[in-house]
Amino acid sequence: EAQVTQNPRYLITVTGKKLTVTCSQNMNHEYMSWYRQDPGLGLRQIYYSMNVEVTDKGDVPEGYKVSRKEKRNFPLILESPSPNQTSLYFCASSLKWGFEAFFGQGTRLTVV
Amino acid sequence: ELKVEQNPLFLSMQEGKNYTIYCNYSTTSDRLYWYRQDPGKSLESLFVLLSNGAVKQEGRLMASLDTKARLSTLHITAAVHDLSATYFCASGFTGTASKLTFGTGTRLQVTL
Repeated sequence: EAQVTQNPRYLITVTGKKLTVTCSQNMNHEYMSWYRQDPGLGLRQIYYSMNVEVTDKGDVPEGYKVSRKEKRNFPLILESPSPNQTSLYFCASSLKWGFEAFFGQGTRLTVV
Repeated sequence: ELKVEQNPLFLSMQEGKNYTIYCNYSTTSDRLYWYRQDPGKSLESLFVLLSNGAVKQEGRLMASLDTKARLSTLHITAAVHDLSATYFCASGFTGTASKLTFGTGTRLQVTL
């Protein structure tokens, strides 16, 4: 089954404790991206990747890192999480930039 | 900076009625997307509109794009309860940055 898989689905952590949210897709898609969803703000793009080893900042990249060493994986790293990063995070992939995106199930992160 | 505005933000409508959701974007864009999100769920792609005058229909939903007016519309015909969800439009431009900008969403509630 074609899908985008995020893990974990739920995470509660403490300020400053490094964490990684994984994202994997099995559709051989080139374009992958991360979004955060906050009430009243819609979705905002954090980082995106056009292909392996090619990443770039979205609209809200501060406090986040990404890497794209393999085509299928695009992890989101929070080196020192803070409470303002409490949010619902979505990973998405598309065949190439501009094609329809397939979204993962989301990761609800709470930083206390 | 690309800005995307949707209205209304909340829409309560009776089954059987027609209504339109509007999506305005602020700068040149070469693609417009519509997504649906059910409560607590991920996003599902509805339409991808790539050119001026593009119109796409799926069931009771029809989306159109007017690039000169920088406006896309999502028209709902004879609404049914199953259409209750939040609808997002998103705009992108293949320029120096291949980023997607989302609107804040329109929460649609269809009542009996």
